[in-house]
Amino acid sequence: DTAVSQTPKYLVTQMGNDKSIKCEQNLGHDTMYWYKQDSKKFLKIMFSYNNKELIINETVPNRFSPKSPDKAHLNLHINSLELGDSAVYFCASSQEVRGRNEQFFGPGTRLTVL
Amino acid sequence: AQSVTQLGSHVSVSEGALVLLRCNYSSSVPPYLFWYVQYPNQGLQLLLKYTSAATLVKGINGFEAEFKKSETSFHLTKPSAHMSDAAEYFCAVSDYTGNQFYFGTGTSLTVIP
Repeated sequence: DTAVSQTPKYLVTQMGNDKSIKCEQNLGHDTMYWYKQDSKKFLKIMFSYNNKELIINETVPNRFSPKSPDKAHLNLHINSLELGDSAVYFCASSQEVRGRNEQFFGPGTRLTVL
Repeated sequence: AQSVTQLGSHVSVSEGALVLLRCNYSSSVPPYLFWYVQYPNQGLQLLLKYTSAATLVKGINGFEAEFKKSETSFHLTKPSAHMSDAAEYFCAVSDYTGNQFYFGTGTSLTVIP
């Protein structure tokens, strides 16, 4: 059974489009995250949700909006896609928000904006 | 505020040689420290973590790391490299709340046959 899953795995789209990436975890974790990994492998946290409540919201354009319908799901909506949004996006989850708990990562979604 | 610095974005070792990947942290409070590995086209998986218990932490696949407060370091080592160890390695730091979580810039490990 996949612990943290993301769909789609690959996403190719045109500039200006709106797209969504879905994430689901079946670990019973309370906290979920979205990360962006650029072409140089640099990982940056974008959002963190704990029990459906936003707790980390790093400086990202407001074209990016996370939505958590329940604590097992955290979806990422991106409006008006730009070339610079091309990256690999990772979803992750942890048992609780406290720092000692490791995060479990999904396989990633490679977004290419043309 | 927390941060981590990984020295050396690329490290090459011969198969069977010692692996040493360096990580230094900056933290105003006792940190939690992690090493993650990312194989090509995959997500990250935890190798090991330090959470203020034993300073020498053993992880999966024969890796270990030692927390040295005096040197603010958490270097990752493995006595003998295998070809399968070729991957990207990330050091990460968190404060006790988990609200401050930062990854280093990563070190790409190449293992030469």
